[in-house]
Amino acid sequence: DAGVIQSPRHEVTEMGQEVTLRCKPISGHDYLFWYRQTMMRGLELLIYFNNNVPIDDSGMPEDRFSAKMPNASFSTLKIQPSEPRDSAVYFCASSSNRGRVTGELFFGEGSRLTVL
Amino acid sequence: KQEVTQIPAALSVPEGENLVLNCSFTDSAIYNLQWFRQDPGKGLTSLLLIQSSQREQTSGRLNASLDKSSGRSTLYIAASQPGDSATYLCAVVGNQFYFGTGTSLTVIP
Repeated sequence: DAGVIQSPRHEVTEMGQEVTLRCKPISGHDYLFWYRQTMMRGLELLIYFNNNVPIDDSGMPEDRFSAKMPNASFSTLKIQPSEPRDSAVYFCASSSNRGRVTGELFFGEGSRLTVL
Repeated sequence: KQEVTQIPAALSVPEGENLVLNCSFTDSAIYNLQWFRQDPGKGLTSLLLIQSSQREQTSGRLNASLDKSSGRSTLYIAASQPGDSATYLCAVVGNQFYFGTGTSLTVIP
């Protein structure tokens, strides 16, 4: 398997623009997680899905952030409008363990977002 | 809420030395614990996964132990090499994954 695939790897945009980050989880994995990593706050869980259904979105910082998982092989994280404080590395990760969040977690390479 | 702590935040050792990284957590009701490695500008790479019923796992020069009752895990790296230089993170798994802030390891040639 190719692992968790994220795109774009790097995104530079101006404040106020819409940003869409994409993720393809490992085939067969039923959990998908979106994380954000910054030097100041470390790794933060934004939202996670089980079988394409959002389970916990309490980490989504504001209404400007939204995430969807239309099918088992694709998820998006959207920021609209973007702000400089959204600059971070956004990671997607997936796992599987038959209905419980206990399986080994695999990360993508991340999308580095810079908002000017 | 589960709190995960990793001490020290940074560690520098000469090549060849054996070393131990620490991870502590506040809630012992976990399903498993996972150790990751992160290289600069890269994603997190899974190193070892310890199920809650296990005491330790080994992979090559790495050995991870788990003591749920005391809320601790250690990652032992034998005969360290410059290529081991990276940030090491632990994550405990309850109803989600709770990450520590990591230990930045530098192995000096």
